[in-house]
Amino acid sequence: EVQLVESGGGLVQPGGSLRLSCVASGFTFSSYWMHWVRQPPGKGLVWVSRIHSDGSRTSYADSVKGRFTISRDNAKNTLYLQMNSLRGEDTAVYYCARESPVAVNFDSWGQGVLVTVSS
Amino acid sequence: EVVMTQSPATLSVSPGERATLSCRASQSVSSNLAWYQQKPGQSPRLLIDGASTRASGIPTRFSGSGSGTEFTLTISSLQSEDSAVYYCQQYYNWPPLTFGGGTKVEIK
Repeated sequence: EVQLVESGGGLVQPGGSLRLSCVASGFTFSSYWMHWVRQPPGKGLVWVSRIHSDGSRTSYADSVKGRFTISRDNAKNTLYLQMNSLRGEDTAVYYCARESPVAVNFDSWGQGVLVTVSS
Repeated sequence: EVVMTQSPATLSVSPGERATLSCRASQSVSSNLAWYQQKPGQSPRLLIDGASTRASGIPTRFSGSGSGTEFTLTISSLQSEDSAVYYCQQYYNWPPLTFGGGTKVEIK
């Protein structure tokens, strides 16, 4: 069974940093592109970032470019999101998601982790 | 950026009735469209890929259609467990990957 388990969320002040982790199991992690998708409280889904299966290529939403860094450790089956210079509008539940093998959509999702940016 | 617009925002349907949800793209996305279901307090779940292909384990009452800029998700006979928010997502012209704002389906 595919499992994605996020951790690392919490309350952080504006301008602060946080690193999210997502541990994968039940599939060959190193074979899949992975993503972060966020959902502000009471709102819809917003794509954040994507990383190649071997970590060699990444892409970002404009709203986080230059502040967030996606990375992965295939030996540890773990996806990361380093978030710096956090703003109030970054407050959201952050999901890690596995990319489908045949299309750039999301066939498995973690349970999500809440990040709150507030003073 | 491709803007995805979903309508209606909320749909109230009686059990056993048909529910029809719409998703419109600001430019053609061919058939590169997915639908997700998100129940309260849960993560999204992939329902439909390629505009019309049901994902693994998805009941046959869910069907998708459309191409280009106009898409439809149909729930042929609504069950109580189908109460959720439904999102469309395009993956034709990106980054960024973009989602619609969602349609909330309520059981009447």
